[in-house]
Amino acid sequence: NAGVTQTPKFQVLKTGQSMTLQCAQDMNHEYMSWYRQDPGMGLRLIHYSVGAGITDQGEVPNGYNVSRSTTEDFPLRLLSAAPSQTSVYFCASRNGGEQYFGPGTRLTVT
Amino acid sequence: GDSVTQMEGPVTLSEEAFLTINCTYTATGYPSLFWYVQYPGEGLQLLLKATKADDKGSNKGFEATYRKETTSFHLEKGSVQVSDSAVYFCALERSNTGKLIFGQGTTLQVKP
Repeated sequence: NAGVTQTPKFQVLKTGQSMTLQCAQDMNHEYMSWYRQDPGMGLRLIHYSVGAGITDQGEVPNGYNVSRSTTEDFPLRLLSAAPSQTSVYFCASRNGGEQYFGPGTRLTVT
Repeated sequence: GDSVTQMEGPVTLSEEAFLTINCTYTATGYPSLFWYVQYPGEGLQLLLKATKADDKGSNKGFEATYRKETTSFHLEKGSVQVSDSAVYFCALERSNTGKLIFGQGTTLQVKP
C-alpha cells in the first residue's frame, strides 16, 4: 500500500491564482481530512469528510473548498490564493482511532 | 473550546539523557490523547495514544500517561538517541469525531 499520497510537494502561487492540492489514499478509509501547519500553531483542521459525497468544515475553512466524489480522493481547492494561505498542508485518512498523514505540500503565495 | 498546550521548545539534550515534554489539555468529557512525531521533511506519524484516564501509551521507549486529575499527558523517554531528533505534537480527539486538536509542537534536538 502507498498509504496517503499528496501532490505536488512544493508549489508557488501568485496572489489571486487558483490551484488544487491532490490527496489520495489506497487503504479504503472512509474518513479523510485536511490540515494546515503554521509555525508555532501546530496543525489546524481545514475540512474533513466522513465518506464519499459528505464533507464538512473544520476550524479554518475560509478560502478553501473540498469535494469527495470517491473514497480514494479528497482534493483541496484554493479558488483565489492569498499570502495568508502560505503554509504546509497535510492530508490524512483515519481508520478506527488512528490517523495516517501524507508527506505534505509546501505552498507559498507571493 | 478544546485546546492543547505544550512546553515551548526547542529542547536540546545530550544522547542518553532523560526526556520530558509537557502537555496539558482543556476539553469537556473524555477525549482521546495522542503524541505524534514529525521527522524533518516528513508527515506526522502516530507515536502513542491513550483513550481513557490512567491509560499509559508506549512505543519505541516513549511513554505517556493520561492524567485526568491534572489534565496532562506528558511524554517521557528514559534515554534519548540522536535519531529521536524531531518535532513532537500532543493532540486530543473528542468523542471519537476524528477531529484532532494539536498543540503547537516541541522541537527536540539530541546531540551526540
